[in-house]
Amino acid sequence: SQQGEEDPQALSIQEGENATMNCSYKTSINNLQWYRQNSGRGLVHLILIRSNEREKHSGRLRVTLDTSKKSSSLLITASRAADTASYFCATVFASNTGKLIFGQGTTLQVKP
Amino acid sequence: DGGITQSPKYLFRKEGQNVTLSCEQNLNHDAMYWYRQDPGQGLRLIYYSQIVNDFQKGDIAEGYSVSREKKESFPLTVTSAQKNPTAFYLCASNNVAGATDTQYFGPGTRLTVL
Repeated sequence: SQQGEEDPQALSIQEGENATMNCSYKTSINNLQWYRQNSGRGLVHLILIRSNEREKHSGRLRVTLDTSKKSSSLLITASRAADTASYFCATVFASNTGKLIFGQGTTLQVKP
Repeated sequence: DGGITQSPKYLFRKEGQNVTLSCEQNLNHDAMYWYRQDPGQGLRLIYYSQIVNDFQKGDIAEGYSVSREKKESFPLTVTSAQKNPTAFYLCASNNVAGATDTQYFGPGTRLTVL
C-alpha cells in the first residue's frame, strides 16, 4: 500500500511563479524524501528531511515537515520551464527496513 | 562514469513469454530495488535485495522473480504468471542495507505486451 498521498495531482503555473506540492503520510517515519521524474525517465533525488527537522533548503527548493500533522510540502521558487516534471514524496518508516514508500506524485507544468 | 544502468530501454513481450530486465550498478551499493510504475501512478516495490544471494519480496512480487548473484547486478524476470506486465520498470540502489540513504535510479525499461 502507498504511504504518501500527494496534493495536487496536477499543477500548471507560469514561469517565475512559485509551485507548492504537499504530501501526507500515515505512520511514523524516519525521514521523507522528494524525487523528481522527467517524462519517461528515472527518478532523481532532490532533498531529504529527517523526522527531527522542520525545514530544509536546497537552491530554489524548500521542504517543510510537520510530524504532528504527518505532512510535508515542497516549494519551488521562481519556477522555470525546465522544472516541468513529476514530483514524488517517499517515506522511510521509523522501523526502517531501508525501503521507500512512494506517493502517487504531482505533475507540474511550468509554462514559458 | 559511475551510475546505474538498465537494459533494454524498450522491451516487447508476447503473451506467455518470460522476459528478463537487466540492472547493473557500479556504485558499490549493497542494496538494490525493483519498482513498477503504471501511468500516472507512483512506484510500487516488486523485490529488493540488501546483500548478495539474498532478496525479499516487495508489495507486488507475484509473477516476478529476481536473483542477486553479484553485488553489481540484480536482474528481474517477468514471468508468464504476471497477468498485466505492461508498465515502466525502474531499478534503484543505495549505499547501505537498511540505511536511510537516498536511492539512485536507473533510466528505466518500458515493457509492452503484444
